[in-house]
Amino acid sequence: KNQVEQSPQSLIILEGKNCTLQCNYTVSPFSNLRWYKQDTGRGPVSLTIMTFSENTKSNRRYTATLDADTKQSSLHITASQLSDSASYICVVILMDSNYQLIWGAGTKLIIKP
Amino acid sequence: ETGVTQSPTHLIKTRGQQVTLRCSSQSGHNTVSWYQQALGQGPQFIFQYYREEENGRGNFPPRFSGLQFPNYSSELNVNALELDDSALYLCASSRTQLAGGPSAGELFFGEGSRLTVL
Repeated sequence: KNQVEQSPQSLIILEGKNCTLQCNYTVSPFSNLRWYKQDTGRGPVSLTIMTFSENTKSNRRYTATLDADTKQSSLHITASQLSDSASYICVVILMDSNYQLIWGAGTKLIIKP
Repeated sequence: ETGVTQSPTHLIKTRGQQVTLRCSSQSGHNTVSWYQQALGQGPQFIFQYYREEENGRGNFPPRFSGLQFPNYSSELNVNALELDDSALYLCASSRTQLAGGPSAGELFFGEGSRLTVL
């Protein structure tokens, strides 16, 4: 069964600290993986895309990694800011006829001053 | 700003009623998909429309139906509302998804319609 599991379910850290969010997937055939950020009550916004051949990609203070062998991805946030408080959702894209998206449940991150 | 607009932003209905939610997609996007997101959960795929035809559907009953219009705007209709239908309904537009391409899985979401069923 195609599934995406994220951990932790929720996380609270102090402003300025770093954190790492995990995503494990059992999706096949794999096309790409995206991380989305969703502020409370708003629609998700794409942060980064990881293709099969990419191991790491950075976007400002966000660094995503992908290990296609172990089917794991992580999102590392450096020097967290209050505006980083949001849910972070991992999405895996299937390489099927409709390029179906398999969504994780998300990690709720709270940054405290 | 994603260029995707949804209406209404909030609404309250009672069990058994019907609701129509609307979405205007980003210019140049021919694919629209709808998601249901319960509190504390990830979005659940309802269905997708490409050039006015449904070309993908999640595990939702037939009382969830949709339309896409020639200008690529879209509607989500839900009949015989149930309490569990209370959720944030998200519309997302995209270009045709190409496997392996840089736009694969890149959805542009609206701000959602918050539906409460009493």
